[in-house]
Amino acid sequence: QKEVEQNSGPLSVPEGAIASLNCTYSDRGSQSFFWYRQYSGKSPELIMSIYSNGDKEDGRFTAQLNKASQYVSLLIRDSQPSDSATYLCAVKSGAAGNKLTFGGGTRVLVKP
Amino acid sequence: SQTIHQWPATLVQPVGSPLSLECTVEGTSNPNLYWYRQAAGRGLQLLFYSVGIGQISSEVPQNLSASRPQDRQFILSSKKLLLSDSGFYLCAWSGDWDSGGYTFGSGTRLTVV
Repeated sequence: QKEVEQNSGPLSVPEGAIASLNCTYSDRGSQSFFWYRQYSGKSPELIMSIYSNGDKEDGRFTAQLNKASQYVSLLIRDSQPSDSATYLCAVKSGAAGNKLTFGGGTRVLVKP
Repeated sequence: SQTIHQWPATLVQPVGSPLSLECTVEGTSNPNLYWYRQAAGRGLQLLFYSVGIGQISSEVPQNLSASRPQDRQFILSSKKLLLSDSGFYLCAWSGDWDSGGYTFGSGTRLTVV
């Protein structure tokens, strides 16, 4: 069983719609959760972090965390073609070195 | 502000040749440093991490090694490259003092031919 799982997609959404991305993790002791955006051929860029249950909003992005269900999600409102990218979910275990474990990523395509 | 530099951006190497990728961080001290590899269309695989000079932890046994000769320098090496070493290599740093995410360098695209 993979430690962090995501649907690989592609998730195709029309411009202006909401894109909903999901991520599950296996380590119940995980405390920190992150979403990265990666454009093709580029390095990942941190877009959201969340540490406690509930919702966290930043601009058009909302991260949602449910530790009991070991589930974290990302909503992208008013999706734009520039949001087309692969979105990586990452979980930090708190163990030595503060290692981040990444999911395989969900590819999002926003169609004009 | 903190910046991370990684080079070269692209590299084409023959099978059996050596490898040296370098990463440096500016604007911080005693960072945690990481090397990841991303195969085509795949997620990020942690290869090595370091919490201090000379301290290297290996996550995946393989044809690669890492060294940290200075506080803000992290080097990924191989004595003899294999075809399977091809991929996108990413260096990242984080502060030891916080629970935040990593900041990645711009990456090195390695093709072994």
